[in-house]
Amino acid sequence: NAGVMQNPRHLVRRRGQEARLRCSPMKGHSHVYWYRQLPEEGLKFMVYLQKENIIDESGMPKERFSAEFPKEGPSILRIQQVVRGDSAAYFCASSPQAMEPYGYTFGSGTRLTVV
Amino acid sequence: AQTVTQSQPEMSVQEAETVTLSCTYDTSESNYYLFWYKQPPSRQMILVIRQEAYKQQNATENRFSVNFQKAAKSFSLKISDSQLGDTAMYFCAFMKRTGTASKLTFGTGTRLQVTL
Repeated sequence: NAGVMQNPRHLVRRRGQEARLRCSPMKGHSHVYWYRQLPEEGLKFMVYLQKENIIDESGMPKERFSAEFPKEGPSILRIQQVVRGDSAAYFCASSPQAMEPYGYTFGSGTRLTVV
Repeated sequence: AQTVTQSQPEMSVQEAETVTLSCTYDTSESNYYLFWYKQPPSRQMILVIRQEAYKQQNATENRFSVNFQKAAKSFSLKISDSQLGDTAMYFCAFMKRTGTASKLTFGTGTRLQVTL
């Protein structure tokens, strides 16, 4: 079991470009969560998806950010027209069910740097 | 909304000693889970220990144990016989058990340094 796979591990984008972050959940997990960690801060919830559905996007910025989890393939977090303030580590986590009592399994994150 | 507070930004402990990390939370929920996660320099988030709010018995995992005080909304982590590999950021987190929401709410973390 390969765990939660995130790629790329590091991503550098110029201001105004698009960033696409990928997350492949653990085998058998149909629930995916995205979190953002700003430097020296804790993780902040962004969005919760179940296959083909967005369940909770209350933590997503209203503009430029979107997420999907298609029937086939990885979950994608997309940031359009990136700005310096988007620089952060983005973590994906997965679970086999909602309210998983053993917590989620996290990936190693993608560190986005906007220059 | 839930909030999680970790009031110790940094702590240091000598190898083989015991250290306690503090965490308090605020919620109106009665049914929830609490977690401690470790984040070493590799950035990987690793689950250390979990507690179900309806259980009075404090959780224990090898050298890690918690002191869960539900009335006080306190959830501290005790690390016994500290090892150099315990050096990491430690995050306390809350998850409610009701409704469809399944998100974790994290504290701001405590950076633990284990020294020789």
